[in-house]
Amino acid sequence: KQEVTQIPAALSVPEGENLVLNCSFTDSAIYNLQWFRQDPGKGLTSLLLIQSSQREQTSGRLNASLDKSSGRSTLYIAASQPGDSATYLCAVFDSGAGSYQLTFGKGTKLSVIP
Amino acid sequence: DTGVSQDPRHKITKRGQNVTFRCDPISEHNRLYWYRQTLGQGPEFLTYFQNEAQLEKSRLLSDRFSAERPKGSFSTLEIQRTEQGDSAMYLCASSSQGGNYGYTFGSGTRLTVV
Repeated sequence: KQEVTQIPAALSVPEGENLVLNCSFTDSAIYNLQWFRQDPGKGLTSLLLIQSSQREQTSGRLNASLDKSSGRSTLYIAASQPGDSATYLCAVFDSGAGSYQLTFGKGTKLSVIP
Repeated sequence: DTGVSQDPRHKITKRGQNVTFRCDPISEHNRLYWYRQTLGQGPEFLTYFQNEAQLEKSRLLSDRFSAERPKGSFSTLEIQRTEQGDSAMYLCASSSQGGNYGYTFGSGTRLTVV
Protein backbone atom coordinates (compact mmCIF):
# COMPACT_ATOMS: atom_id res chain seq x y z
CA LYS A 1 0.00 0.00 0.00
CA GLN A 2 1.33 3.41 -1.00
CA GLU A 3 2.26 5.76 1.84
CA VAL A 4 3.15 9.42 1.43
CA THR A 5 5.07 11.37 4.06
CA GLN A 6 5.63 15.12 4.16
CA ILE A 7 8.34 16.77 6.18
CA PRO A 8 8.23 19.11 7.99
CA ALA A 9 4.66 19.11 9.29
CA ALA A 10 4.88 22.86 9.87
CA LEU A 11 7.30 25.57 8.84
CA SER A 12 7.57 29.24 9.74
CA VAL A 13 9.87 31.51 7.74
CA PRO A 14 10.44 35.26 7.37
CA GLU A 15 9.23 36.93 4.20
CA GLY A 16 11.68 36.77 1.30
CA GLU A 17 13.29 33.49 2.30
CA ASN A 18 13.65 30.59 -0.12
CA LEU A 19 12.31 27.29 1.22
CA VAL A 20 11.97 23.60 0.41
CA LEU A 21 9.12 21.27 1.25
CA ASN A 22 9.75 17.53 1.14
CA CYS A 23 7.56 14.62 0.08
CA SER A 24 8.47 10.93 0.09
CA PHE A 25 6.50 7.92 -1.12
CA THR A 26 7.02 4.22 -0.52
CA ASP A 27 6.10 2.70 -3.90
CA SER A 28 8.01 4.15 -6.84
CA ALA A 29 5.56 2.75 -9.42
CA ILE A 30 3.70 6.03 -9.77
CA TYR A 31 2.00 7.54 -12.81
CA ASN A 32 2.41 11.12 -11.69
CA LEU A 33 2.80 13.36 -8.64
CA GLN A 34 0.84 16.51 -7.93
CA TRP A 35 1.42 19.36 -5.49
CA PHE A 36 -1.60 21.20 -4.11
CA ARG A 37 -2.16 24.24 -1.94
CA GLN A 38 -4.99 24.40 0.59
CA ASP A 39 -6.07 27.54 2.42
CA PRO A 40 -7.87 27.10 5.77
CA GLY A 41 -11.37 25.70 5.30
CA LYS A 42 -11.03 25.67 1.52
CA GLY A 43 -10.61 23.12 -1.26
CA LEU A 44 -7.39 22.16 -3.02
CA THR A 45 -5.69 24.26 -5.67
CA SER A 46 -3.34 22.43 -8.04
CA LEU A 47 0.14 23.94 -8.18
CA LEU A 48 2.26 21.58 -10.23
CA LEU A 49 1.87 18.18 -11.88
CA ILE A 50 4.93 16.05 -12.64
CA GLN A 51 4.59 13.01 -14.88
CA SER A 52 6.65 9.94 -13.94
CA SER A 53 8.93 10.51 -16.94
CA GLN A 54 9.72 14.09 -15.92
CA ARG A 55 12.32 15.35 -13.46
CA GLU A 56 10.87 18.76 -12.65
CA GLN A 57 8.20 21.34 -13.35
CA THR A 58 8.25 25.09 -12.82
CA SER A 59 5.54 27.68 -12.40
CA GLY A 60 6.54 31.20 -11.44
CA ARG A 61 8.31 31.10 -8.07
CA LEU A 62 7.55 27.39 -7.64
CA ASN A 63 9.72 24.50 -8.76
CA ALA A 64 8.92 20.86 -8.11
CA SER A 65 11.36 18.02 -8.66
CA LEU A 66 10.77 14.29 -8.80
CA ASP A 67 13.21 11.45 -8.15
CA LYS A 68 11.06 8.40 -8.75
CA SER A 69 13.76 5.85 -8.02
CA SER A 70 14.35 7.21 -4.52
CA GLY A 71 10.67 7.95 -3.92
CA ARG A 72 11.12 11.67 -3.32
CA SER A 73 9.79 15.01 -4.49
CA THR A 74 10.60 18.53 -3.36
CA LEU A 75 8.70 21.77 -3.77
CA TYR A 76 10.94 24.81 -3.86
CA ILE A 77 9.38 28.23 -3.20
CA ALA A 78 11.54 31.21 -4.05
CA ALA A 79 11.29 34.60 -2.36
CA SER A 80 8.41 33.61 -0.09
CA GLN A 81 5.55 36.05 0.52
CA PRO A 82 2.89 36.23 3.27
CA GLY A 83 0.33 35.19 0.65
CA ASP A 84 2.13 31.86 0.34
CA SER A 85 0.94 30.95 3.84
CA ALA A 86 -1.17 27.79 3.44
CA THR A 87 -0.96 24.02 3.75
CA TYR A 88 0.90 22.31 0.91
CA LEU A 89 -0.12 18.77 0.03
CA CYS A 90 1.73 16.21 -2.05
CA ALA A 91 -0.21 13.41 -3.77
CA VAL A 92 0.82 10.48 -5.94
CA PHE A 93 -1.23 8.69 -8.56
CA ASP A 94 -0.26 5.02 -8.62
CA SER A 95 0.09 3.16 -11.86
CA GLY A 96 -1.03 -0.08 -10.23
CA ALA A 97 -3.70 -1.90 -12.17
CA GLY A 98 -7.26 -1.12 -11.19
CA SER A 99 -6.49 1.78 -8.87
CA TYR A 100 -7.40 5.31 -9.80
CA GLN A 101 -6.96 7.05 -6.49
CA LEU A 102 -4.56 9.71 -5.33
CA THR A 103 -2.68 9.02 -2.11
CA PHE A 104 -2.00 12.16 -0.11
CA GLY A 105 0.47 13.13 2.55
CA LYS A 106 -0.73 15.01 5.63
CA GLY A 107 0.68 18.25 4.32
CA THR A 108 3.14 20.93 5.42
CA LYS A 109 1.62 24.01 7.02
CA LEU A 110 3.61 27.04 5.91
CA SER A 111 3.55 30.40 7.64
CA VAL A 112 5.42 33.29 6.04
CA ILE A 113 6.00 36.08 8.54
CA PRO A 114 5.97 39.67 7.19
CA ASP B 1 -15.52 26.24 -17.84
CA THR B 2 -15.97 27.28 -14.24
CA GLY B 3 -14.08 24.42 -12.60
CA VAL B 4 -15.52 21.84 -10.21
CA SER B 5 -18.54 23.07 -8.26
CA GLN B 6 -19.79 21.65 -4.97
CA ASP B 7 -22.99 22.40 -3.14
CA PRO B 8 -23.60 23.19 -0.36
CA ARG B 9 -20.41 24.76 0.97
CA HIS B 10 -21.40 24.08 4.56
CA LYS B 11 -23.92 21.73 6.14
CA ILE B 12 -24.82 21.37 9.79
CA THR B 13 -27.06 18.45 10.62
CA LYS B 14 -28.27 16.58 13.66
CA ARG B 15 -27.03 13.09 14.31
CA GLY B 16 -29.23 10.50 12.62
CA GLN B 17 -30.34 12.76 9.79
CA ASN B 18 -29.61 12.07 6.11
CA VAL B 19 -27.57 14.52 4.02
CA THR B 20 -26.84 14.77 0.31
CA PHE B 21 -24.04 16.66 -1.39
CA ARG B 22 -23.74 17.55 -5.06
CA CYS B 23 -20.72 17.85 -7.31
CA ASP B 24 -20.61 19.28 -10.84
CA PRO B 25 -17.33 18.33 -12.53
CA ILE B 26 -15.58 20.08 -15.39
CA SER B 27 -17.80 19.29 -18.36
CA GLU B 28 -15.23 17.50 -20.51
CA HIS B 29 -13.90 15.36 -17.65
CA ASN B 30 -15.26 11.83 -17.64
CA ARG B 31 -13.65 10.81 -14.32
CA LEU B 32 -15.07 11.96 -10.99
CA TYR B 33 -13.78 11.26 -7.49
CA TRP B 34 -14.97 11.82 -3.93
CA TYR B 35 -12.53 12.30 -1.05
CA ARG B 36 -12.97 12.98 2.65
CA GLN B 37 -10.64 15.12 4.73
CA THR B 38 -10.57 15.44 8.51
CA LEU B 39 -8.70 18.11 10.43
CA GLY B 40 -4.93 17.87 10.12
CA GLN B 41 -5.06 14.99 7.67
CA GLY B 42 -4.66 14.66 3.92
CA PRO B 43 -7.73 13.80 1.84
CA GLU B 44 -8.70 10.12 1.78
CA PHE B 45 -10.21 8.43 -1.26
CA LEU B 46 -13.88 7.40 -1.05
CA THR B 47 -15.02 6.47 -4.54
CA TYR B 48 -14.42 6.91 -8.27
CA PHE B 49 -16.67 7.13 -11.33
CA GLN B 50 -15.78 6.79 -14.97
CA ASN B 51 -18.75 8.28 -16.80
CA GLU B 52 -21.77 6.84 -14.97
CA ALA B 53 -20.04 3.68 -13.75
CA GLN B 54 -18.81 3.52 -10.15
CA LEU B 55 -15.57 1.60 -10.62
CA GLU B 56 -13.86 1.80 -7.25
CA LYS B 57 -14.99 2.18 -3.65
CA SER B 58 -12.89 2.53 -0.53
CA ARG B 59 -13.50 0.51 2.60
CA LEU B 60 -14.16 3.93 4.19
CA LEU B 61 -17.42 4.01 2.24
CA SER B 62 -19.65 2.20 4.71
CA ASP B 63 -23.15 1.02 3.82
CA ARG B 64 -24.48 4.35 5.10
CA PHE B 65 -22.76 6.09 2.21
CA SER B 66 -23.98 5.98 -1.37
CA ALA B 67 -22.79 7.84 -4.43
CA GLU B 68 -24.33 8.19 -7.85
CA ARG B 69 -23.46 9.81 -11.14
CA PRO B 70 -26.52 9.60 -13.36
CA LYS B 71 -25.82 10.05 -17.07
CA GLY B 72 -22.16 10.64 -16.34
CA SER B 73 -22.65 14.29 -15.47
CA PHE B 74 -23.06 15.60 -11.90
CA SER B 75 -22.63 13.32 -8.90
CA THR B 76 -24.31 13.08 -5.51
CA LEU B 77 -22.96 11.67 -2.26
CA GLU B 78 -25.56 10.71 0.34
CA ILE B 79 -24.86 9.87 3.96
CA GLN B 80 -27.69 8.17 5.82
CA ARG B 81 -28.11 8.19 9.60
CA THR B 82 -25.22 10.59 10.10
CA GLU B 83 -22.84 10.11 13.00
CA GLN B 84 -20.52 12.61 14.67
CA GLY B 85 -17.58 10.79 13.11
CA ASP B 86 -18.88 11.78 9.67
CA SER B 87 -17.96 15.40 10.39
CA ALA B 88 -15.36 16.28 7.77
CA MET B 89 -14.70 18.15 4.54
CA TYR B 90 -16.04 16.22 1.54
CA LEU B 91 -14.09 17.01 -1.60
CA CYS B 92 -14.98 16.25 -5.20
CA ALA B 93 -12.47 16.15 -8.03
CA SER B 94 -12.53 15.43 -11.74
CA SER B 95 -9.97 14.52 -14.38
CA SER B 96 -9.81 13.72 -18.04
CA GLN B 97 -9.29 10.26 -19.46
CA GLY B 98 -5.75 9.09 -18.70
CA GLY B 99 -5.19 11.59 -15.94
CA ASN B 100 -2.36 13.29 -17.80
CA TYR B 101 -3.56 16.69 -16.68
CA GLY B 102 -3.98 15.76 -13.04
CA TYR B 103 -6.95 16.32 -10.81
CA THR B 104 -9.04 19.46 -10.38
CA PHE B 105 -10.70 19.75 -6.98
CA GLY B 106 -13.79 21.66 -5.93
CA SER B 107 -14.04 23.89 -2.87
CA GLY B 108 -15.53 21.11 -0.79
CA THR B 109 -18.55 20.69 1.46
CA ARG B 110 -17.90 21.08 5.17
CA LEU B 111 -20.19 18.74 7.15
CA THR B 112 -20.73 19.21 10.86
CA VAL B 113 -22.83 16.60 12.69
CA VAL B 114 -24.12 17.82 16.06
